[in-house]
Amino acid sequence: GAGVSQTPSNKVTEKGKYVELRCDPISGHTALYWYRQSLGQGPEFLIYFQGTGAADDSGLPNDRFFAVRPEGSVSTLKIQRTERGDSAVYLCASSSNPSGTGGYGYTFGSGTRLTVV
Amino acid sequence: TQLLEQSPQFLSIQEGENLTVYCNSSSVFSSLQWYRQEPGEGPVLLVTVVTGGEVKKLKRLTFQFGDARKDSSLHITAAQPGDTGLYLCAGEEEKLVFGKGTKLTVNP
Repeated sequence: GAGVSQTPSNKVTEKGKYVELRCDPISGHTALYWYRQSLGQGPEFLIYFQGTGAADDSGLPNDRFFAVRPEGSVSTLKIQRTERGDSAVYLCASSSNPSGTGGYGYTFGSGTRLTVV
Repeated sequence: TQLLEQSPQFLSIQEGENLTVYCNSSSVFSSLQWYRQEPGEGPVLLVTVVTGGEVKKLKRLTFQFGDARKDSSLHITAAQPGDTGLYLCAGEEEKLVFGKGTKLTVNP
């Protein structure tokens, strides 16, 4: 597609449930990033893929969070045993940055607004 | 930990006024990027600056990268209501590190 697509756009879940958030990047973009944005804050880095592998997962807050990109295109962010503090907008971005060297712009999706009640 | 500090955090001005937003870092980045974000949308890239001392212009927006590549500024001339939004600076080192943003409101 022309842009980065994220589904669902909104997700309300009960505390303790499992959720999956999907990101469909721009075709051909090798780098894919997940960020989390709380109200009034800038996006916070979670994890970055170069191809199929997670190049940097240092931003994942704990082992309840996991992300995959099995074929180097679509990525899924998985959150187990959700907590109210997980409520935020989860943003996905892709870039044609071939090796993480810098200078390439990122294209962001519109995000998934996750609300844990 | 690399941190980016943006100032001011909030800015409310009248249409036609000029403004400057600042982004300062304790670290050097390979590039610094500016994004604009509207409610319910993801950030949209405005510009990437790479070279120390670099100045880029985008219509009424002027972006400057400091000589030491640790700070940057965004200057808007004759602001319009359509400029309203959250302006984010981000330093890049394999991934983007964002500041908290400057929320700009331009009143007609």
